[in-house]
Amino acid sequence: QKEVEQNSGPLSVPEGAIASLNCTYSDRVSQSFFWYRQYSGKSPELIMSIYSNGDKEDGRFTAQLNKASQYVSLLIRDSQPSDSATYLCAVNILGAAGNKLTFGGGTRVLVKP
Amino acid sequence: NAGVMQNPRHLVRRRGQEARLRCSPMKGHSHVYWYRQLPEEGLKFMVYLQKENIIDESGMPKERFSAEFPKEGPSILRIQQVVRGDSAAYFCASSPSRQAYEQYFGPGTRLTVT
Repeated sequence: QKEVEQNSGPLSVPEGAIASLNCTYSDRVSQSFFWYRQYSGKSPELIMSIYSNGDKEDGRFTAQLNKASQYVSLLIRDSQPSDSATYLCAVNILGAAGNKLTFGGGTRVLVKP
Repeated sequence: NAGVMQNPRHLVRRRGQEARLRCSPMKGHSHVYWYRQLPEEGLKFMVYLQKENIIDESGMPKERFSAEFPKEGPSILRIQQVVRGDSAAYFCASSPSRQAYEQYFGPGTRLTVT
């Protein structure tokens, strides 16, 4: 079982709709959770971080964390064509040295005008 | 530009040559992480460094790869005797401390081995 799993997509979303992305992780001691956006040929850009159960909203983005279910999600409201990208879920898994991120394979999102 | 800087952005090496990738962390950040993204694969952690210290190198291949972050100057990821399988995007990220979990990525170095 992969440590961090995402549906690879593509997730096709009409412009203006809500895009819903899911991520599950296997390590129960994971502490910190992140969503990165990566455009083709570019580097990952941090868009959301979440550390405790519940929802966290930032502009059109909402991250949701459920540690009991080992599940983190990202909602993109009012999706725009510029949101078309690959979204990477990342988890900080507690280790002796700490602080390395483990990434899922990414979900490709296509927002159609 | 206060962001993470990497150079070169593109590097072409022939099999057997050495590749040196450089990373300057964001201003105020003293922790550097290197990740590799192979074609059509996810990002994989390689190594985590502080100034003059390797904290975690659990993701580094056992041979040919090394990393350093000297007291002065950028962090360097060195790949000796490159092979075609080393062709990938290499990203550097930085954070201000070990307790600050958010990591910010540089633009990456695209290594092509011919």
